[in-house]
Amino acid sequence: DAGVIQSPRHEVTEMGQEVTLRCKPISGHNSLFWYRQTMMRGLELLIYFNNNVPIDDSGMPEDRFSAKMPNASFSTLKIQPSEPRDSAVYFCASKYSGTDTQYFGPGTRLTVL
Amino acid sequence: AQTVTQSQPEMSVQEAETVTLSCTYDTSESDYYLFWYKQPPSRQMILVIRQEAYKQQNATENRFSVNFQKAAKSFSLKISDSQLGDAAMYFCAYRSPQTGANNLFFGTGTRLTVIP
Repeated sequence: DAGVIQSPRHEVTEMGQEVTLRCKPISGHNSLFWYRQTMMRGLELLIYFNNNVPIDDSGMPEDRFSAKMPNASFSTLKIQPSEPRDSAVYFCASKYSGTDTQYFGPGTRLTVL
Repeated sequence: AQTVTQSQPEMSVQEAETVTLSCTYDTSESDYYLFWYKQPPSRQMILVIRQEAYKQQNATENRFSVNFQKAAKSFSLKISDSQLGDAAMYFCAYRSPQTGANNLFFGTGTRLTVIP
């Protein structure tokens, strides 16, 4: 199994630009999570999906952030417009809803200048 | 809301020795799940070990074991025979058993250094 795949691994952009992060969950997993990790706030859940449907997006910081899951094998997290305070490592994780263990991707390190 | 506390920002251990990382949590639930994740310099979050609160037996995975004290709401991780590859950030995490409550609550992490 290839594990959770995230792209890109690194992203450097300028303030005001649109950023799209991508995630491919483990095949067969039907729950998908987006986390953000910063030095100040640690690991925070942004949003999670169950069977492609957003269940809890209370962690999404503001309207500049949006996430989609058009099918069971793909999800995106978009930031528009990006700001320097969005700089962080963004993780995607997946699991099968009948289990309790999440499997994390390698993360995307986002730097907004 | 559940909170997870890791009171040791940094720990160090001599290679081949044993080290224990502390974690406490606060919850009003009687059943839940606890995890330890490892984050090496590569940044990937790797599951180390999990514990179900209704199980009294402490979980063990090779050199990794936990000391789960439910009454004290404590969940420490013991690493035996420490290896250089164990150097990483270690995160304790909590998950509620409630239906639909799939998210993990993480502690702030403990950075483990292994001294050759």
